[in-house]
Amino acid sequence: KAGVTQTPRYLIKTRGQQVTLSCSPISGHRSVSWYQQTPGQGLQFLFEYFSETQRNKGNFPGRFSGRQFSNSRSEMNVSTLELGDSALYLCASSLGGSRGRAFFGQGTRLTVV
Amino acid sequence: AQSVTQLDSQVPVFEEAPVELRCNYSSSVSVYLFWYVQYPNQGLQLLLKYLSGSTLVKGINGFEAEFNKSQTSFHLRKPSVHISDTAEYFCAVSGSNFGNEKLTFGTGTRLTIIP
Repeated sequence: KAGVTQTPRYLIKTRGQQVTLSCSPISGHRSVSWYQQTPGQGLQFLFEYFSETQRNKGNFPGRFSGRQFSNSRSEMNVSTLELGDSALYLCASSLGGSRGRAFFGQGTRLTVV
Repeated sequence: AQSVTQLDSQVPVFEEAPVELRCNYSSSVSVYLFWYVQYPNQGLQLLLKYLSGSTLVKGINGFEAEFNKSQTSFHLRKPSVHISDTAEYFCAVSGSNFGNEKLTFGTGTRLTIIP
């Protein structure tokens, strides 16, 4: 069974640009969550999608958005990039019944210069 | 809302010695509790979880944790560590209500095994 796949693994962008990150969940999983990991703020919840609907949202500005497709694949978009958006972005997939087994991808390392 | 406190940011331990990584949580609702491990340049791997039932939970790689509701703690233990246990460990909590997939993480504990 394939794990959670995040692409790309590494990205370098310039301030002001926008970026799209992709996450393919484990087959059969309907919930996809996104987290930002930085040395200063640690792991912070961005949002969660379940059956193409955003079900939970963290405290991030509107520049951070996401969507989920009918095949459960999810994308996260960050517009007008700032230096502080440099981070490891992690995607987690689960069945969605909140019994706690979330599987994480290896992450996308975004560097904003 | 929930919060998690990991009291130790770094823990050095000699190989084959026991280790305890501490975690305390705060929540106004019933919670599920988790420990994840992160190796360099990797995602998070679930070590163990507490959902309900027995307060002593056994996980992978010889780790175990005990849920203490009165002390709102969920400390992680291993009786004998190996070099391969060098990693960062995160305690996390989520609400137990259906549809709540959000994990709130602690700041992490970096475990360093000394040969």
